[in-house]
Amino acid sequence: GAGVSQSPSNKVTEKGKDVELRCDPISGHTALYWYRQSLGQGLEFLIYFQGNSAPDKSGLPSDRFSAERTGGSVSTLTIQRTQQEDSAVYLCASSRQGQRETQYFGPGTRLLVL
Amino acid sequence: GQQLNQSPQSMFIQEGEDVSMNCTSSSIFNTWLWYKQDPGEGPVLLIALYKAGELTSNGRLTAQFGITRKDSFLNISASIPSDVGIYFCAGSGAGSYQLTFGKGTKLSVIP
Repeated sequence: GAGVSQSPSNKVTEKGKDVELRCDPISGHTALYWYRQSLGQGLEFLIYFQGNSAPDKSGLPSDRFSAERTGGSVSTLTIQRTQQEDSAVYLCASSRQGQRETQYFGPGTRLLVL
Repeated sequence: GQQLNQSPQSMFIQEGEDVSMNCTSSSIFNTWLWYKQDPGEGPVLLIALYKAGELTSNGRLTAQFGITRKDSFLNISASIPSDVGIYFCAGSGAGSYQLTFGKGTKLSVIP
């Protein structure tokens, strides 16, 4: 597709369960980002992938959060042992080589932890 | 860390009116971006600014990169109902890919 796609669009889970969120970046974009948006708030940076370089994980809130990017394209964000405070919209973005600041976002995954 | 103050937090305007919102930063930015987010959707990039003093238009939208590099504004002229949504500013510093986001301006347009 032409834009960033994310799946699932909505996810309801029980506290303590693990969840996996998927992101397909725009074709040809080398950089991929994950953000978290809590209700009524701005976006909080989580993690950044650029090509084959080691990812910048500085925004991950705890060691329950991890992400990987396979083949320089699709990325998966995993949250282990989910807590209620993990409920948020998880947004993925991608950008072109040489224009890392200009990020294009997907529609997000709305996660609700009961 | 970097902080962005975005104002106003919300606006109610009549259809046809012009709108202005702005962001100020505690530190210098090299890039300013303006996004619009509709309910249930991800942010959509409206305008990107890369140079101090730059003034860029996208249809009825105009945005400027302040010459101090610590502020930016977005104007919407002749608002229409589909302008409703939340507008976010975002910026990044020199050599950084991490965007700092404002908390958004919620725009409501009264037909």
